[in-house]
Amino acid sequence: AQTVTQSQPEMSVQEAETVTLSCTYDTSESDYYLFWYKQPPSRQMILVIRQEAYKQQNATENRFSVNFQKAAKSFSLKISDSQLGDAAMYFCASLDNYGQNFVFGPGTRLSVLP
Amino acid sequence: DAGVIQSPRHEVTEMGQEVTLRCKPISGHNSLFWYRQTMMRGLELLIYFNNNVPIDDSGMPEDRFSAKMPNASFSTLKIQPSEPRDSAVYFCASTTGLRYTEAFFGQGTRLTVV
Repeated sequence: AQTVTQSQPEMSVQEAETVTLSCTYDTSESDYYLFWYKQPPSRQMILVIRQEAYKQQNATENRFSVNFQKAAKSFSLKISDSQLGDAAMYFCASLDNYGQNFVFGPGTRLSVLP
Repeated sequence: DAGVIQSPRHEVTEMGQEVTLRCKPISGHNSLFWYRQTMMRGLELLIYFNNNVPIDDSGMPEDRFSAKMPNASFSTLKIQPSEPRDSAVYFCASTTGLRYTEAFFGQGTRLTVV
């Protein structure tokens, strides 16, 4: 079974600074997908970034980037130039190649300090 | 596409009543997931379907919970009878696998059982 771990229940960052959220996972699959989702107080689950395990290049989406270390089964999220609107719960998730086994970590609550 | 659509957005019911939550996945997605989110337990996977067939229902808390997917465009999660401890936000998500995978959530249903 796939498992996802986020070891940081809470993090804080100063506005305009950079923060990294950690995620580790365990899977026996060779092909899979990894995601970071953001959940603001509105509770909507918003896809932040997506990484295919077969791609060595780290995914980037504007101020969001990942550090994907396949051998270490690590998938951290870096948020650059943090903004007040980035404050939210962040969930790391894995999904197998068939679109099944969609497993989430416990989440990290990010606060952005003005 | 309008995304994953859940209804109702909010539901308040009395203990002992039957509750039915509904989900319409994104067209073309072949897997559908039901999650329950609470402060205490985080995001729990209840059940998921692949091509309308239930694959894993090990997360369903007890026999009071049941889920169906009669066709590719509709799924229900039913609680009968409901109890106050069922109060939570229930999310539906749909994914597609094979080569290009995307995974999106509905806006959730906030259920309150009084």
